[in-house]
Amino acid sequence: EAGVAQSPRYKIIEKRQSVAFWCNPISGHATLYWYQQILGQGPKLLIQFQNNGVVDDSQLPKDRFSAERLKGVDSTLKIQPAKLEDSAVYLCASSRQGRYGNTEAFFGQGTRLTVV
Amino acid sequence: GENVEQHPSTLSVQEGDSAVIKCTYSDSASNYFPWYKQELGKRPQLIIDIRSNVGEKKDQRIAVTLNKTAKHFSLHITETQPEDSAVYFCAAPSVIKAAGNKLTFGGGTRVLVKP
Repeated sequence: EAGVAQSPRYKIIEKRQSVAFWCNPISGHATLYWYQQILGQGPKLLIQFQNNGVVDDSQLPKDRFSAERLKGVDSTLKIQPAKLEDSAVYLCASSRQGRYGNTEAFFGQGTRLTVV
Repeated sequence: GENVEQHPSTLSVQEGDSAVIKCTYSDSASNYFPWYKQELGKRPQLIIDIRSNVGEKKDQRIAVTLNKTAKHFSLHITETQPEDSAVYFCAAPSVIKAAGNKLTFGGGTRVLVKP
């Protein structure tokens, strides 16, 4: 099966600018995750969607980060305005996860963001 | 929410020796425990997972053990090879009502296999 697609692969922006990342999950996967991975750390969940609804965004800095999954398929994650500490790899993942059990989460290649 | 602690943060082993990584979790309702391997500059990829109805699962040189009472699970790599060098992450879910489970990752273990 085709994997999780993300774009762009790399992005360099100045602080206070805005940036958007795009993710296309594996076909049929209801659950979509956005993770932030700072160098040397484990992935930190920013937001989780079940179809087009948000099921958890407790660690999303809502004053600057936003995400949507309007039709329950593709998703975009936006940062506005960016700060230096937002420099990280942003990973999108998807899974078949349903209500009563977990299945494997498949990750995209990630977008490496550098804020200067 | 779920809190996942992973130890050690770095692990250096001689080729052929075994490597063990341990994780603890806080949510007693967690029922699925995956391990991911992330090579430098690449995406995390699932290498093995275990569900709460079993205590151990093995796949060639990799095994995972689960102790639900103590709320910890471990990854065991036997006969390590240079290609096992990578960062390994454990994860555990916490239940979000009836809308699926939130997957929380440990901080990672950087494994270096020395030839």
